[in-house]
Amino acid sequence: DVKVTQSSRYLVKRTGEKVFLECVQDMDHENMFWYRQDPGLGLRLIYFSYDVKMKEKGDIPEGYSVSREKKERFSLILESASTNQTSMYLCASRSDPNQPQHFGDGTRLSIL
Amino acid sequence: GENVEQHPSTLSVQEGDSAVIKCTYSDSASNYFPWYKQELGKRPQLIIDIRSNVGEKKDQRIAVTLNKTAKHFSLHITETQPEDSAVYFCAARRNTGGFKTIFGAGTRLFVKA
Repeated sequence: DVKVTQSSRYLVKRTGEKVFLECVQDMDHENMFWYRQDPGLGLRLIYFSYDVKMKEKGDIPEGYSVSREKKERFSLILESASTNQTSMYLCASRSDPNQPQHFGDGTRLSIL
Repeated sequence: GENVEQHPSTLSVQEGDSAVIKCTYSDSASNYFPWYKQELGKRPQLIIDIRSNVGEKKDQRIAVTLNKTAKHFSLHITETQPEDSAVYFCAARRNTGGFKTIFGAGTRLFVKA
């Protein structure tokens, strides 16, 4: 069974802080994704990565960056956290574009 | 741009009744349509998917239909049970240009016992 693990379930940070959200998958998947989930808006893609060292902007990349130094790990970085980045963040991975995505449990991030 | 519209946003049914959730996509290059179920406090999980070369797919009490011409696809749940209560997301994945998956806004399904 695919395991996608996000480092924290809940996180509270202050505005202006640099925040790191970590995601690890154990199935040697090529593709990894970061979404944010907000009520009434569904899942919106922030960034994705097709392979190590590769990254592509999603639909809402502003205020975020990512890092994929190893295949199993995809990190989301909030360079200077703001209150409008309070949200649920979901990481997902898939083996290739023809397969479904598998999600982590999510990180509920609050920026105060 | 590409988008997926999902209706209704909230659906309440009596246990044993059927539930139908409808989605419309805009990108004609989409060819893979997964449905995810997210229970409260849990991760979204794939429950069924359909590819563009198929019009209908069924798995026990759930079925998905696809009308490529109209760019519509629907989730049908029969004989609903309280444990079907969750948020359901439809999605459409395009076949080109990054293979992005676009999600609908979600439908919150309540099944009343």
